[in-house]
Amino acid sequence: KAGVTQTPRYLIKTRGQQVTLSCSPISGHRSVSWYQQTPGQGLQFLFEYFSETQRNKGNFPGRFSGRQFSNSRSEMNVSTLELGDSALYLCASSLSQISQGAQFFGPGTRLTVL
Amino acid sequence: DAKTTQPNSMESNEEEPVHLPCNHSTISGTDYIHWYRQLPSQGPEYVIHGLTSNVNNRMASLAIAEDRKSSTLILHRATLRDAAVYYCILRPQGGSEKLVFGKGTKLTVNP
Repeated sequence: KAGVTQTPRYLIKTRGQQVTLSCSPISGHRSVSWYQQTPGQGLQFLFEYFSETQRNKGNFPGRFSGRQFSNSRSEMNVSTLELGDSALYLCASSLSQISQGAQFFGPGTRLTVL
Repeated sequence: DAKTTQPNSMESNEEEPVHLPCNHSTISGTDYIHWYRQLPSQGPEYVIHGLTSNVNNRMASLAIAEDRKSSTLILHRATLRDAAVYYCILRPQGGSEKLVFGKGTKLTVNP
């Protein structure tokens, strides 16, 4: 079974631009979560989607948004990029129907904002 | 979100056992204890989880204190590939898949 894939792996943008990151979960997984990892703040939860519905949202500004498609693939969007948005963005998928099941992380997208 | 406390770093020698502690004194009765690890330049990886009883899998063992206020992740024979940051996370039963990561313990394995 293929793992979680994230595209692109690396991205360079300038302040004020917007960016869209993509995540393809493991086949059969219907839950997708997004995390931001920075050296200062560590791993922080962004949002969680299940069956195209956002189930949970972290403490991030409205510039950060996401969605999930009917095939469980997910995208996250960051508008009006700031220097502080430079980070590794990680996506995780899980079966969700299994209580306390493992989450499987992708390799991440490294975003650099100049 | 319930809080966990872990040492910032630990060091071990290859092929020796490693005991990684985690304190979670405010754990509630329905919180599960999960461990993930993150190898350099990779996303986090699930290791093990438990509620009350000790748990074993092919990667590690999880020992949970009787009062559940602490737990220990045990790597029976550390290898160089086990060098990673290990995160102890409390997950409430039911509902969200959200994981709340702390700073974790950076494990260094010496050859």
